[in-house]
Amino acid sequence: DAGVIQSPRHEVTEMGQEVTLRCKPISGHDYLFWYRQTMMRGLELLIYFNNNVPIDDSGMPEDRFSAKMPNASFSTLKIQPSEPRDSAVYFCASSLAPGLANEQYFGPGTRLTVT
Amino acid sequence: GEDVEQSLFLSVREGDSSVINCTYTDSSSTYLYWYKQEPGAGLQLLTYIFSNMDMKQDQRLTVLLNKKDKHLSLRIADTQTGDSAIYFCAEKGGGGSYIPTFGRGTSLIVHP
Repeated sequence: DAGVIQSPRHEVTEMGQEVTLRCKPISGHDYLFWYRQTMMRGLELLIYFNNNVPIDDSGMPEDRFSAKMPNASFSTLKIQPSEPRDSAVYFCASSLAPGLANEQYFGPGTRLTVT
Repeated sequence: GEDVEQSLFLSVREGDSSVINCTYTDSSSTYLYWYKQEPGAGLQLLTYIFSNMDMKQDQRLTVLLNKKDKHLSLRIADTQTGDSAIYFCAEKGGGGSYIPTFGRGTSLIVHP
């Protein structure tokens, strides 16, 4: 398997623009997680899905952020409108059912810069 | 809520041992993990320990768990420059939430 795939790897956009980050989880994994990493706040869990259904979105910072998982092999995280404080590295991760030791597999991340 | 604390930086000389420490608050933690993040990459699992164990060894890595004090450590023997990375401690609770909580990560800097 190719692992968790994220695109784009880098995104530079202007304040006010819409940004869409994409993720393809590992086939067979039924949990998908979106994280944000910054120097100030470390690694923050934004939202996670189980079998394509959002389970906990309490980490989503504002209504400007939305996430979807239309099928088992694709998820998006959208920011509209984007602001400079959204600049961060966004990671997608997937796992099997987390009730055992099953680890999370992380993608390489999308580095977002909002100017 | 649950919390995981780590120091932010550790600097060691090549060939020395590194010890990265972590404390957590969830007394019902079932699994504790160490993830490694190399520059420009995502996190990757290094090792994990089940809460009924107090030690696990894997080549140069030794994990020690003091469940009473809720303290986890990762020892890297003979630290190499390739070990320079950010190391994240994470715990997974048994109280119904099986989603791991991550610490902020410890940046390990290995210098010659």
